[in-house]
Amino acid sequence: EAQVTQNPRYLITVTGKKLTVTCSQNMNHEYMSWYRQDPGLGLRQIYYSMNVEVTDKGDVPEGYKVSRKEKRNFPLILESPSPNQTSLYFCASSSTGQGANGYTFGSGTRLTVV
Amino acid sequence: GENVEQHPSTLSVQEGDSAVIKCTYSDSASNYFPWYKQELGKRPQLIIDIRSNVGEKKDQRIAVTLNKTAKHFSLHITETQPEDSAVYFCAASGQTGTASKLTFGTGTRLQVTL
Repeated sequence: EAQVTQNPRYLITVTGKKLTVTCSQNMNHEYMSWYRQDPGLGLRQIYYSMNVEVTDKGDVPEGYKVSRKEKRNFPLILESPSPNQTSLYFCASSSTGQGANGYTFGSGTRLTVV
Repeated sequence: GENVEQHPSTLSVQEGDSAVIKCTYSDSASNYFPWYKQELGKRPQLIIDIRSNVGEKKDQRIAVTLNKTAKHFSLHITETQPEDSAVYFCAASGQTGTASKLTFGTGTRLQVTL
């Protein structure tokens, strides 16, 4: 089944403790992206990647890192989480070019930083 | 960068009536405009999209229109049903014109009442 898999689904952590949210897709998509969703603010793009070793900042990249060492994986790293990073996070992937059919989203990771 | 505004933020319609959600965008270079539906506790899912070389697209009860001159696009749902109740997001692509740099609106919560 074609899908985007995120782990974990739920995470509670303390301020300053490094964490990684994993994302993997099995559709051989070139494009991958991370979004955060907050009430009243919609979905805001954190980082995106157009292919292996090619990443770029989205609209809210501060406090986050990403890497794209393999085509299928695009982990989101919070080196020193803070309470304002409490949010619902979505990973997404898409095929390339004008034939792209938009992003396919993962199930989401609800992160709470206390 | 791209800025997408979406209205209204909430919309309540009676079953069988039509619903219209409107979005405006700022970047005249954008040429890909998807719409996503997010049910409570679920991931956003693509329901329809339109590209700038097309003015209107229909898929059963949903349709999207695009006015590139005015930089706005709209989602139309006819004969609404209770299962249409969800949050709807519009989005616009960024500089590349592909799905990679997608900027979302803040969402419209649609409630279909019996």
